Amino acid sequence: ILNVEQSPQSLHVQEGDSTNFTCSFPSSNFYALHWYRWETAKSPEALFVMTLNGDEKKKGRISATLNTKEGYSYLYIKGSQPEDSATYLCAFFSTDMRFGAGTRLTVKP
Amino acid sequence: EAQVTQNPRYLITVTGKKLTVTCSQNMNHEYMSWYRQDPGLGLRQIYYSMNVEVTDKGDVPEGYKVSRKEKRNFPLILESPSPNQTSLYFCASSLTDRGRSHGYTFGSGTRLTVV
Repeated sequence: ILNVEQSPQSLHVQEGDSTNFTCSFPSSNFYALHWYRWETAKSPEALFVMTLNGDEKKKGRISATLNTKEGYSYLYIKGSQPEDSATYLCAFFSTDMRFGAGTRLTVKP
Repeated sequence: EAQVTQNPRYLITVTGKKLTVTCSQNMNHEYMSWYRQDPGLGLRQIYYSMNVEVTDKGDVPEGYKVSRKEKRNFPLILESPSPNQTSLYFCASSLTDRGRSHGYTFGSGTRLTVV
């Protein structure tokens, strides 16, 4: 059974703070790692699709890194804004696939 | 606009009354999938389809059926709903490759309550 862990479960930061959270996954049989942003009352939206060890992806103030050998990915948000408040999900793909439970980020003005 | 359309958004039903949640995509995606979201748990896959007439079980298929007669549609059928199927359901699609290389496009979700 694939075990995909996201930490922390929730995070409260002030506007302007930079923050990061982690997705941990099995280091064997890696195929891809996705990050999704999920705002309340909406559906998840794809942020990044990462397939290579050492991948770094960036979209505006949000970036992600990938280490497939040790089995983790970090998502960074620089200068958090209230509109960044959402749940961030990772999804791990090998021969099977599994979503993590998400990190719920709240950015206070 | 490229999208996955799910209906209904909200549904309250009684135990044992058959229901269907529809899902349609307009992106010519080969891969479609159903998930349920429960508090404290990640999205769990119910069924998926690699292409027309090709469906397979995910992690939690019990109590559900699907069909893929056309590429664009992938309905989720609950033949005899029970209260433990109360959940938030999402349909998702991806170009191919079981979604691994391209990411998923999600529908807007269906909140189902079975009383």
